[in-house]
Amino acid sequence: AQKVTQAQTEISVVEKEDVTLDCVYETRDTTYYLFWYKQPPSGELVFLIRRNSFDEQNEISGRYSWNFQKSTSSFNFTITASQVVDSAVYFCALRHNTGKLIFGQGTTLQVKP
Amino acid sequence: EAGVAQSPRYKIIEKRQSVAFWCNPISGHATLYWYQQILGQGPKLLIQFQNNGVVDDSQLPKDRFSAERLKGVDSTLKIQPAKLEDSAVYLCASRQSGMNTEAFFGQGTRLTVV
Repeated sequence: AQKVTQAQTEISVVEKEDVTLDCVYETRDTTYYLFWYKQPPSGELVFLIRRNSFDEQNEISGRYSWNFQKSTSSFNFTITASQVVDSAVYFCALRHNTGKLIFGQGTTLQVKP
Repeated sequence: EAGVAQSPRYKIIEKRQSVAFWCNPISGHATLYWYQQILGQGPKLLIQFQNNGVVDDSQLPKDRFSAERLKGVDSTLKIQPAKLEDSAVYLCASRQSGMNTEAFFGQGTRLTVV
């Protein structure tokens, strides 16, 4: 089965706290791609990062960082020093070799001032 | 570069009526996706096109939903007849050819069936 699970439905933090959003995936493919998207209240899905299955190097972009571990089939996303503007729904997604792109259920992040 | 364009942004119809959504992908993007996103859930893939051919429509309710991508550019998604449970946001996305690419999404069409 090919599936993406985001077990955290909602997370609430106070501004400047660090927060980690979990993502666990299942796939039989040896080559696949993982993504994170942000969906602000306006509704449009905004691309954040792409990672292929052969590249387990962690990535940092400003306050955002991603930890990819094939051994645990996880692709977690950490926001350091969260800000109110980070409040949104975050989706993890998996793309197969066929190009089929499937999403998790999403994690709603609320950052309070 | 222009993004993925969708219209209309909002639509309210009565059950059993028909409705159509339109999507204009980013120029040159061969892959086009239609997703249904019910409130509080993740996007669910309805159909995936590669140019004007269907790659995956396994989750498209074919008794009432249809989609086409004539000439491999614009696409339309139709629902006929609509049911209450079709109320959702319909998202269109497009992606360039190649594996090291990501999908870009339009703003979606919010459908309310009453």
